Amino acid sequence: QQQVKQSPQSLIVQKGGISIINCAYENTAFDYFPWYQQFPGKGPALLIAIRPDVSEKKEGRFTISFNKSAKQFSLHIMDSQPGDSATYFCAARSRDDKIIFGKGTRLHILP
Amino acid sequence: DAGVTQSPTHLIKTRGQHVTLRCSPISGHKSVSWYQQVLGQGPQFIFQYYEKEERGRGNFPDRFSARQFPNYSSELNVNALLLGDSALYLCASSLDRLGGYTFGSGTRLTVV
Repeated sequence: QQQVKQSPQSLIVQKGGISIINCAYENTAFDYFPWYQQFPGKGPALLIAIRPDVSEKKEGRFTISFNKSAKQFSLHIMDSQPGDSATYFCAARSRDDKIIFGKGTRLHILP
Repeated sequence: DAGVTQSPTHLIKTRGQHVTLRCSPISGHKSVSWYQQVLGQGPQFIFQYYEKEERGRGNFPDRFSARQFPNYSSELNVNALLLGDSALYLCASSLDRLGGYTFGSGTRLTVV
């Protein structure tokens, strides 16, 4: 049973455009929703995170939008750059501290 | 500051063998978790240790075991290796259960 569903699987965006990745979760007991960025040969790096009592969080060009009633959250990357090309994972933390990851989105920014 | 360090970086083992993977958390971090990442998939939770006690275990067979030492470093052991155990094994550390996790670069295990 996949508890965190992520879409799309892959995404191609022009340089300067907005990249949008969506996630949906099922377990209302999740209490922390991080996004990770992973480059080939590296471990995932925490990008930005949000708690369910907040509807939006912005850090630089990265914004998380969170809809608690719909059990959905999304990552927006503004002014996307070629250096943003990577695999992005949404995730959710359960009350017993497991981080449940989505399957990932491979983002490619065209120069 | 050193991040989460894992060793070895790459490993090739034969089916049926045993493997030990090692992780050193960020200094001061007391929580260590292990994840398995199969190519093209998101990481899957294996174990979490906090203050040397097992706090969580994922849906993995008993061939997988782990422990955390007094200095908070950790080992993941896998017995009777199968081809399907080939994956990137990631270690992550956190100051406590409330903080975000910092991942190491992983150990790439290939079972032949």
